[in-house]
Amino acid sequence: DAEITQSPRHKITETGRQVTLACHQTWNHNNMFWYRQDLGHGLRLIHYSYGVHDTNKGEVSDGYSVSRSNTEDLPLTLESAASSQTSVYFCASQDLSSGELFFGEGSRLTVL
Amino acid sequence: GENVEQHPSTLSVQEGDSAVIKCTYSDSASNYFPWYKQELGKGPQLIIDIRSNVGEKKDQRIAVTLNKTAKHFSLHITETQPEDSAVYFCAASRGRDYKLSFGAGTTVTVRA
Repeated sequence: DAEITQSPRHKITETGRQVTLACHQTWNHNNMFWYRQDLGHGLRLIHYSYGVHDTNKGEVSDGYSVSRSNTEDLPLTLESAASSQTSVYFCASQDLSSGELFFGEGSRLTVL
Repeated sequence: GENVEQHPSTLSVQEGDSAVIKCTYSDSASNYFPWYKQELGKGPQLIIDIRSNVGEKKDQRIAVTLNKTAKHFSLHITETQPEDSAVYFCAASRGRDYKLSFGAGTTVTVRA
């Protein structure tokens, strides 16, 4: 069965470290997204991609970057982790025929 | 960009009663309005969606209504059951192949 997987599921890091969260989908979807989930804020869009070599900033993109070298993967990088980036991160890919987003299980990041 | 507001933030209902969640959006070009359900420790999953050419849509115990003039849409859950306890998110976008903006979420608790 096709799926979307995130890794790691849990990570603790220190302020100033670089962190990369991986996202891999096997549906061959062109559209992929990264959201962060924080209490009281819901799901906020960080970055998104509409296809290979395409990346776009979302509403909370400062301090984050993404790259899209193939259809399956959209890694999210925190260049220099800050305590404000402690959150749960969700990756999603989109079925263009229906509009449905398929989410991964989430990556919980703690920045100390 | 699109701004989606969602109310209430928490909702407690007696089993068998109805639950209603309301959302408003700001972008008049939005025409796709999905609802996602998030169970504890998991990623959100699509439960129902509505497009701007439809005023109401039902699927068993859940229904969505859309008022494009007032820019608001609602989720109705009838005959609530314990498995309906979850966080619900509304969202809006300009099309099913476009990025989604989410509301802040509603935590629904169904009391036995």
